[in-house]
Order: sequence, then structure tokens, then C-alpha cells
Amino acid sequence: AQSVAQPEDQVNVAEGNPLTVKCTYSVSGNPYLFWYVQYPNRGLQFLLKYITGDNLVKGSYGFEAEFNKSQTSFHLKKPSALVSDSALYFCAVRDMGYGGATNKLIFGTGTLLAVQP
Amino acid sequence: DAGVTQSPTHLIKTRGQQVTLRCSPKSGHDTVSWYQQALGQGPQFIFQYYEEEERQRGNFPDRFSGHQFPNYSSELNVNALLLGDSALYLCASSLSRFGELFFGEGSRLTVL
Repeated sequence: AQSVAQPEDQVNVAEGNPLTVKCTYSVSGNPYLFWYVQYPNRGLQFLLKYITGDNLVKGSYGFEAEFNKSQTSFHLKKPSALVSDSALYFCAVRDMGYGGATNKLIFGTGTLLAVQP
Repeated sequence: DAGVTQSPTHLIKTRGQQVTLRCSPKSGHDTVSWYQQALGQGPQFIFQYYEEEERQRGNFPDRFSGHQFPNYSSELNVNALLLGDSALYLCASSLSRFGELFFGEGSRLTVL
């Protein structure tokens, strides 16, 4: 069964410093991986996805993620954090249990990013 | 171009009652999926509707049911509400069953 794990409940970083939010995955076959962000009392906003190709994926708002097959990781990164980046971040993987005939996502438990001024 | 819209945004019910949540998909989208996000958890897949039929279902009891209308909008119904049904219910639409998901703002249900 497919799954993702976000080992950190919270990440604290000072504004202007680089940030990393960690995600590891467990899938059979090639993974389709996603990052979403959720601001308080809001829905999910898509940041980026990895389907195939370059291991470094660039997304919205200056975020990027690095796919590492040997470490089964898909960490979210940003070179310089902003206070406005403070939010809840979710890693997700597409459920391939339907032979690929689905866009159903399996989400991690989320990581709260707190950027201090 | 309107995105995914959900209603109501907030509602309070008591145990045993029934609730209906509504979702209008993004223009041009034909598939609607519903997710439940309990406090402090990631979203959990409830079911997906395409061509007015339930196509996939997550691990949720039969108290959770849905419907999709000819205009692609959808409803989520929950019967015999339990305290544990308190959550943010997210609707996501897509172009086909394989397309990228676009999420609405959610409906926050509180069961007392």
C-alpha cells in the first residue's frame, strides 16, 4: 500500500534562512508525489508535483522539492523563508491501487512551518 | 473563472442528525472527490464521483453517501452524525478521474 510520512510535526526557521520540510514515501512502482499548503481555516493549495523527469521540481511561491529515489524522499525546500510562508504543509502520493486509473491522493499528517521574523 | 466552491462554510449539528454539504466544481471539470480532514490530521479520501456515479470509495461507513448531478456539482450526505464526524470536509474537482485536483475552501462541521 502507498503511504507518505512527515516525520516532523513542526519546523521552526528564521526569516531569510533556508527551510526544509521532510517527506518520505513508500510505494510500489513509480511514485506520483505532491506538496500542498494549507493556511488557517482554508482549503489546500497545490505547490508542486513530481511525476517523472528531473529530480528537482520547481513550484509556486519559490518552493522546490527534491526527489531522491534511493532515500525514498521528497523534501520541500525554499532558499529564503518568509513570515508569510507560515502554514501547514502536506505531502501526498497518488494511490496506484487502481492500476493508475485514479487521482486519489494519500496524505501525510502535515508539518506546521513557523517562520519567525 | 470561479474555482471550486463549497457550502456552507461552517455548520453545527447535534449527534444523530443528518447533514448535506454541497460542492460546485471548477469550470470545465467533470469529476468530484470528497475528503475528510479531522483536526490535526491529513485529509482522508471519502469517495469520488464521475458521470453521476460513485467510482471509488475510501474506508468510510455507509452513513457517508453522495450524489453528483448532471451539471457535475455534488453533495455529500452524512447520516446519524457522531462526535467523531466533526472535521473539515474538502471537495476537490478535476478534469477526468486522473486529472490534477483543485480543492475548495472546505465546510467545517462541528457535531455536538
